[in-house]
Amino acid sequence: DTAVSQTPKYLVTQMGNDKSIKCEQNLGHDTMYWYKQDSKKFLKIMFSYNNKELIINETVPNRFSPKSPDKAHLNLHINSLELGDSAVYFCASSQGAGEKLFFGSGTQLSVL
Amino acid sequence: SQQGEEDPQALSIQEGENATMNCSYKTSINNLQWYRQNSGRGLVHLILIRSNEREKHSGRLRVTLDTSKKSSSLLITASRAADTASYFCATDDAAGNKLTFGGGTRVLVKP
Repeated sequence: DTAVSQTPKYLVTQMGNDKSIKCEQNLGHDTMYWYKQDSKKFLKIMFSYNNKELIINETVPNRFSPKSPDKAHLNLHINSLELGDSAVYFCASSQGAGEKLFFGSGTQLSVL
Repeated sequence: SQQGEEDPQALSIQEGENATMNCSYKTSINNLQWYRQNSGRGLVHLILIRSNEREKHSGRLRVTLDTSKKSSSLLITASRAADTASYFCATDDAAGNKLTFGGGTRVLVKP
């Protein structure tokens, strides 16, 4: 069983569309994250949730809205997609703050 | 800005050689972590070293931490072609709420 799974793996869409990425972890962790990795491989945190509560919102545009229906799931909805949103988005989870992260395999988003 | 910065950005070595990469950071930390990322995959945790530790080993990996210089190094001994990957350091903030990653070192191990 995959510990942190995210879908879809690839997402190709037009500018202006709305899309969602789903993430689920079966590790029993309390904390989940969304990271964005750009074309130069820089990895930047976007959001962090602890037990369904938003902990970190790292100055991400309002077009990005995370939702955590329960502590095992953290989804990312993106409105009005822009060219600059093209990147690889990683979901991750950890037992708690400062502990090691377990990453999903990533969602490669291409906005045309 | 990046909290951690790796050096070098890229490294090419022959199988069997050792690979060393460094990470520098700017502010006080609780712990520092190293991750590996194979092409097209998610990051995999390698090792965590706490601020009161100076050295840690895991298999062929050796990590050092010098908090006075705000730097860490990752040494991979007797490298294998399968070690080809990008390696990232990550540091937590004072509250330990988030990990901030450096830009990574791309390591190519030639057979």
